[in-house]
Amino acid sequence: KQEVTQIPAALSVPEGENLVLNCSFTDSAIYNLQWFRQDPGKGLTSLLLIQSSQREQTSGRLNASLDKSSGRSTLYIAASQPGDSATYLCAVRFGGSNYKLTFGKGTLLTVNP
Amino acid sequence: NAGVTQTPKFQVLKTGQSMTLQCAQDMNHNSMYWYRQDPGMGLRLIYYSASEGTTDKGEVPNGYNVSRLNKREFSLRLESAAPSQTSVYFCASSFFDRGLGNEQFFGPGTRLTVL
Repeated sequence: KQEVTQIPAALSVPEGENLVLNCSFTDSAIYNLQWFRQDPGKGLTSLLLIQSSQREQTSGRLNASLDKSSGRSTLYIAASQPGDSATYLCAVRFGGSNYKLTFGKGTLLTVNP
Repeated sequence: NAGVTQTPKFQVLKTGQSMTLQCAQDMNHNSMYWYRQDPGMGLRLIYYSASEGTTDKGEVPNGYNVSRLNKREFSLRLESAAPSQTSVYFCASSFFDRGLGNEQFFGPGTRLTVL
């Protein structure tokens, strides 16, 4: 079964810390992987999309890496700020599923001032 | 650009009532999707429309119907609402190309409660 797992479910860090969020997936045959941010009561905001041929993508203080062979992706957040507090979701488009994204359950990040 | 918009934002129904959730996108995307988000279950695909004129079932289609009205609009209908359909519903859209990525953009959601 194709699944996406995010550990830990929750993470609390002090402001200014660099941090890594983890995403693992069960099948290395993927088309792409997408990281989202979700604020409480809001929709999902796309942060980064990594194609299967790419190793990493960067946007501002965010850097996402992809290692298909090990079935892992990480989202690195540099110099965290209280405004980064949100739930971060990882979603994978597995090979053979042309349209469907399979989501992890997310990591709830709290950045304390 | 408004991106993906959804109406209504909130809705309370009684068991057996029907309603239609509306979604529109202004990004000229060809593909549109309906997801539901439940605590502990994550997001699950209900239906999708790969292109105007086509619709297909996702993981949890039972109790729902969809209509791709035109390239911009994709509606989700609950014919006879049940308490199990209490959830947050998200619409998303993307430009789908088999050789490229499929970055999906989401609307703000509709919070539905069925009593």
